[in-house]
Amino acid sequence: DVKVTQSSRYLVKRTGEKVFLECVQDMDHENMFWYRQDPGLGLRLIYFSYDVKMKEKGDIPEGYSVSREKKERFSLILESASTNQTSMYLCASRPQSGELFFGEGSRLTVL
Amino acid sequence: GQSLEQPSEVTAVEGAIVQINCTYQTSGFYGLSWYQQHDGGAPTFLSYNALDGLEETGRFSSFLSRSDSYGYLLLQELQMKDSASYFCAVRDPGSGNTGKLIFGQGTTLQVKP
Repeated sequence: DVKVTQSSRYLVKRTGEKVFLECVQDMDHENMFWYRQDPGLGLRLIYFSYDVKMKEKGDIPEGYSVSREKKERFSLILESASTNQTSMYLCASRPQSGELFFGEGSRLTVL
Repeated sequence: GQSLEQPSEVTAVEGAIVQINCTYQTSGFYGLSWYQQHDGGAPTFLSYNALDGLEETGRFSSFLSRSDSYGYLLLQELQMKDSASYFCAVRDPGSGNTGKLIFGQGTTLQVKP
């Protein structure tokens, strides 16, 4: 079975802190994605990566950056967390064709 | 741009049939996907329609009409465990092979006894 693992299920951070969300997949998928999920807004794409060291902005990249140094790992970085970044963050991976496989999510609260 | 519309909530009783509609507007089209997400869980893939017609997988079926830019997910013999959010999604036509998906806002299905 494909497994997408997110490092933390729940995080509480303070405004201005730097936040790292880690995601690892074990199926050698080329494509990896970071979405945020908010009530009434569905899933919105922050960034995605189609290869090591390659990244593309999604629909809402402002305030975020990403890193993909290894094929299996895709990190989301909040350089200076703000309260409006309180959300559920979902990582997903996908081979060249086929469906998305999601992690369990990381619920971030910024105080 | 791309957009998808689906109802925000649907309620049905156990054993019934429910249909969740999705209309989309895209500059190109590469198929309609459906995902299920239980409260607190990860979204999981349910179905994919690239061509017009009905695709059946057990109690769940998905339909697509490309001429109407419309699809639906049909759930039969509803069970309590079907209470979840259901998202339709289309592939961003400009995303090449990455398979970047654009999601609807999700429909929360509540199944009552």
